[in-house]
Amino acid sequence: ETGVTQTPRHLVMGMTNKKSLKCEQHLGHNAMYWYKQSAKKPLELMFVYNFKEQTENNSVPSRFSPECPNSSHLFLHLHTLQPEDSALYLCASSQDPQGAGAPLHFGNGTRLTVT
Amino acid sequence: QKEVEQDPGPLSVPEGAIVSLNCTYSNSAFQYFMWYRQYSRKGPELLMYTYSSGNKEDGRFTAQVDKSSKYISLFIRDSQPSDSATYLCAMDLGGGADGLTFGKGTHLIIQP
Repeated sequence: ETGVTQTPRHLVMGMTNKKSLKCEQHLGHNAMYWYKQSAKKPLELMFVYNFKEQTENNSVPSRFSPECPNSSHLFLHLHTLQPEDSALYLCASSQDPQGAGAPLHFGNGTRLTVT
Repeated sequence: QKEVEQDPGPLSVPEGAIVSLNCTYSNSAFQYFMWYRQYSRKGPELLMYTYSSGNKEDGRFTAQVDKSSKYISLFIRDSQPSDSATYLCAMDLGGGADGLTFGKGTHLIIQP
């Protein structure tokens, strides 16, 4: 069983909807991340939270809004998405903040389809 | 120029064969090198982790890093159908906030 849990597993939403993705890590890690995985593309880092503080957004469109209320929970709020935002959204955590060679522990992702 | 190049495959080999998966990279500052395995409908899981150059072995898996050639490899001996998955290479500078840089992944199929 993965130490990083993501819900929902699948999500279909229209372009005018608002939805949220949830991630919870049970590993006692200090950093959490959102990644986007699209077909035939490398994993794209979207957001990084080190000790609950956002440190990176990588020029992600504002229709994606992260929230990290504590070191165990991470949300990705979605609104007015575009069809090209359809992808697998992966949450990950690491013991140390990224940049220290720390390996990532991933959840199983939310498969998002924007219609 | 892409930072990390990885052949997406698919790579199909018979059961029992030795599998070689590779990535090349352009940034000589990378220090940490990882291989992740991703099964269908699952998230990536860490398979191998190495620092700097050299080899690391874990059971049927061997990771090699050649920093002079900017080339890393993952070898799988006595391949099994359960090894069928997508294998992602990833690299880290070890000193910045840019995080891991991933390859696109190679889809591996082990034929029974």
